[in-house]
Amino acid sequence: GENVEQHPSTLSVQEGDSAVIKCTYSDSASNYFPWYKQELGKRPQLIIDIRSNVGEKKDQRIAVTLNKTAKHFSLHITETQPEDSAVYFCAQKGGSYIPTFGRGTSLIVHP
Amino acid sequence: NAGVMQNPRHLVRRRGQEARLRCSPMKGHSHVYWYRQLPEEGLKFMVYLQKENIIDESGMPKERFSAEFPKEGPSILRIQQVVRGDSAAYFCASSYYGGGSSYEQYFGPGTRLTVT
Repeated sequence: GENVEQHPSTLSVQEGDSAVIKCTYSDSASNYFPWYKQELGKRPQLIIDIRSNVGEKKDQRIAVTLNKTAKHFSLHITETQPEDSAVYFCAQKGGSYIPTFGRGTSLIVHP
Repeated sequence: NAGVMQNPRHLVRRRGQEARLRCSPMKGHSHVYWYRQLPEEGLKFMVYLQKENIIDESGMPKERFSAEFPKEGPSILRIQQVVRGDSAAYFCASSYYGGGSSYEQYFGPGTRLTVT
């Protein structure tokens, strides 16, 4: 079945550094790849997504890249700030109605 | 345009009682997904519904759990005879179109169920 592996599980960076979170998937039919940010005790919030017809998408300090051949996609956060600290989830959705989520990455940005 | 709404936000039940969780999707959305999240874990899919139809309930336990999304009113996730292992955060998400196309899901604030 569909599976999404997310790494690392924890990522600690200094303020101003970049952070990269990677996900790999197995379903060749996957065509939609969203990223969610979840702060402690809050709801997951969609921060960026990418569809299979593009390789990269950028929104200010956040970017997502997709390599369909290798079946992996990554979230890049530049110039990290303490408020970026949260758990980040990748997900993928393909022919199935059901999105599959990664296990999450806890990002800690030290001031 | 109000976002996805869930109530109650916190629910405490004793073992053996029933828990009823409600989700009102965003205006214009007719697709609802329910997820369960244990502390420090990811989101586990439970059930996907459209108005008056259960499309996929493969992630929902066969016993004690049920879900509905009536023509009028919110979607309801019902857990009968709750046990301590049911304690978790339950999130619902809604989307405009679920099918083969890939539309964004928007999450509600969640209901945190505690079984004592």
